[in-house]
Order: sequence, then structure tokens, then C-alpha cells
Amino acid sequence: DAGVTQSPTHLIKTRGQQVTLRCSPKSGHDTVSWYQQALGQGPQFIFQYYEEEERQRGNFPDRFSGHQFPNYSSELNVNALLLGDSALYLCASSLVVSSYEQYFGPGTRLTVT
Amino acid sequence: DQQVKQNSPSLSVQEGRISILNCDYTNSMFDYFLWYKKYPAEGPTFLISISSIKDKNEDGRFTVFLNKSAKHLSLHIVPSQPGDSAVYFCAASAIGNQFYFGTGTSLTVIP
Repeated sequence: DAGVTQSPTHLIKTRGQQVTLRCSPKSGHDTVSWYQQALGQGPQFIFQYYEEEERQRGNFPDRFSGHQFPNYSSELNVNALLLGDSALYLCASSLVVSSYEQYFGPGTRLTVT
Repeated sequence: DQQVKQNSPSLSVQEGRISILNCDYTNSMFDYFLWYKKYPAEGPTFLISISSIKDKNEDGRFTVFLNKSAKHLSLHIVPSQPGDSAVYFCAASAIGNQFYFGTGTSLTVIP
């Protein structure tokens, strides 16, 4: 049973560029949430997707956007990258949108120079 | 606005002894609390949870205690094992809403 997978593992971008991160949820899961974990901090909720729509959003600017596909996989897009966007981006999936039980992927390490 | 706080960045414990990790929260609407364990280069893994209607939940060597009046929860690991060495995050949620995570406590269990 495949768990949550994320790609790429690492990424280096320059300020001002745009980046797309990808996530495939655990088999059978239909809800995907994205988190940003800065160094020395806990994961911070960015947004959640269910039925291809953004259902909840944390305190992140519009530069952060996402998408969910019919197969439940998801993308996180960040435009106009800032140095402060350097972080580990975690994807978590769950069976239903209100489920407390989330499974996390290994994350994508984004470095902005 | 840090709604979930873990004030101890690190903790060292001798193998076989008890590890106690603490977490405080500020939002009285939180009704579900979880502990996650994270190894380097891996995503957080769910460890144990507790609903606000309970004050204790036990799963093997892991027990979570919830004190609603103090807005405090703790994770007890007994006995501690070297494989328990990891970063532990507590998280909280109000029903149907997003999870708020603490900053984590790095536990080292010394053989």
C-alpha cells in the first residue's frame, strides 16, 4: 500500500521564480493538505483540497496556490519566491475532509537563493 | 500567533526511564489533540491522540494526558527506548478546522 509521495525531494530556486511541488495521496485518500515547515518550527497549515476545491486556507498570501486533480493528487504552486519561502513543504492526506487522521509524505525541501 | 506551544526544544532521557513531553495551547475551542513523531528526512508519523472529552489515552508505552483547565497536554513514554529518539510535535484542532502544530521537542534517549 503506497503511502503519501512527494516530488521532487529537493529543489533550489532563485528569488522571484515560480515553483510547483507535487503530492500523491495515500491510496484511497481523497483529501490533501499542504504544510510549510520552516527550520526550527512546526508545520504550518497552508491549505486543504477536497473534491478538487480549496476547502480551508491558513494565513498564507495569494502567492501560494494549489490544485487537486480528479485522481486526488495535488500541486502546490508558489509565485514570486522570497528567501523566506525556504522551508520543508509537507503534504498530508486523509480519507475524508474532516478526518483527524492525516498521513504525511516525506516533504520537499525548497531552498530559495 | 502561536496557539500551540512546546517550550522545551530538547530533552535527554536515559534508556528505560520515563520521557515526559509537554505542550500548552491557548485556544479553548480545540477539541482534538495529537502527537506526531518525526525522524530526519521523513514526514511526521501519527503517534497518539486524545479527544477533549477524555483526560487520558494510553497506547502501549505511550500515554497522553489532557488537562483542559490548564490548557496543557503531555506525552509520557515508558520505558523510553533509543528508537524513540526523534522530534515530537503536538498538534491541536477545533472540529473540522485546520491543525495547529507546536515547534517540536527533540527527544534523545541515551542507551
